[in-house]
Amino acid sequence: EIVLTQSPDTLSLSPGQRATLSCTASQSVSSSYLAWYQQKPGQAPRVLVYGASTRATGISDRFSGSGSGTDYTLTISRLEPEDFAVYYCQLFRDSHYSFGQGTNLEI
Amino acid sequence: QVQLQESGPGLVKPSGTLSLTCAVSGDSISNGNWWSWIRQPPGEGLEWIGEISRSGENKYNPSLKSRVTISADKSKNQLSLTLTSVAAADTAVYYCVRNGMVGFYMDVWGKGTTVTVSS
Repeated sequence: EIVLTQSPDTLSLSPGQRATLSCTASQSVSSSYLAWYQQKPGQAPRVLVYGASTRATGISDRFSGSGSGTDYTLTISRLEPEDFAVYYCQLFRDSHYSFGQGTNLEI
Repeated sequence: QVQLQESGPGLVKPSGTLSLTCAVSGDSISNGNWWSWIRQPPGEGLEWIGEISRSGENKYNPSLKSRVTISADKSKNQLSLTLTSVAAADTAVYYCVRNGMVGFYMDVWGKGTTVTVSS
């Protein structure tokens, strides 16, 4: 089974700064099957990026995804107060989905 | 606007059966999307439970496969989740989710329903 490991567990930044979140797969995966989600307290997650780099409908262009093979990155170019949340990467492989453990982006 | 609304008992006894339904509005479960259930234990991450296609084909998380059934009622446009032999570790927020039509991701989420397993 492929394991997704996100780093760091917690990222402390300030509004206006750039955030770089990482997701590493235990073996090479197709970028087509990698997505990123944002979850705020008390809310359901929402998709930000799918296919590793395609922004979902309505998502700000401050969010960008990249990567291939085992290493994937979500970048938030200029942090806004509403961006502070937990972020998850997700993979589809072998007919099932799995998630990373999450990165808590805090002020 | 697609909306998903989960419902069911908030409390289930250990060794009992958890049963939830998901009412879908703004879309038909007979369309091309797959539909998933995902759960999140308190203070923890996300776990995919399984999914169902418009033709009724199922795929399940291997770790839950022996205890899970996901079904669909097209006449009511709703989905169901059944989880048997529950234990405290099954306490979680359960989300009903629509899978994206293009790609492998979840594009619409319900608000979730909290289920506690306790005697």
